[in-house]
Amino acid sequence: GAGVSQSPRYKVAKRGQDVALRCDPISGHVSLFWYQQALGQGPEFLTYFQNEAQLDKSGLPSDRFFAERPEGSVSTLKIQRTQQEDSAVYLCASSLAHPLAILGNEQFFGPGTRLTVL
Amino acid sequence: KNEVEQSPQNLTAQEGEFITINCSYSVGISALHWLQQHPGGGIVSLFMLSSGKKKHGRLIATINIQEKHSSLHITASHPRDSAVYICAVGEGGSQGNLIFGKGTKLSVKP
Repeated sequence: GAGVSQSPRYKVAKRGQDVALRCDPISGHVSLFWYQQALGQGPEFLTYFQNEAQLDKSGLPSDRFFAERPEGSVSTLKIQRTQQEDSAVYLCASSLAHPLAILGNEQFFGPGTRLTVL
Repeated sequence: KNEVEQSPQNLTAQEGEFITINCSYSVGISALHWLQQHPGGGIVSLFMLSSGKKKHGRLIATINIQEKHSSLHITASHPRDSAVYICAVGEGGSQGNLIFGKGTKLSVKP
């Protein structure tokens, strides 16, 4: 079956350009997460959606970052006026069950979008 | 101090060797995840566990909740096991987002 997909897989942007990164989660998955992974580091949390509601955006590094999931399925992460420090792999993950499930939930990751800002 | 610490950072092994990667964490957790990341970025979930031990093929994951420590073992390692292995924890009571370690880069030589 289809897993989590992300597009584009690679994006090169000039400094100051706006970019939009797309995530298609597994159908029916309630929770959707965006993570940022700098080179040589582990991923770091950016934001979380439960269906269409953005319940936590505490990890977004600046107000240039904006995420939405208007119909509770596809999500878009937008970065305005990109800077070189935004260069990273942006990972999307989705999970099926309610996030208050006792043991937590397995997250299914997309392949990531590698953003390079020149 | 990082909330999730992994060791070693880099590991080179010969094919067939038994491999152990360690993970320590400092927060209360709902579950601990072991993930595998290949070059190109894709992440695959290997295990999610909250107690005891799980086994899948040549992979074994253990967790000691009292000591806040987990290990990932690979038996009879193979060059195709070469990847970055990442430990991540879901904080107890949180919405489910993960806190990741920096990863262990494993290279298995033939």
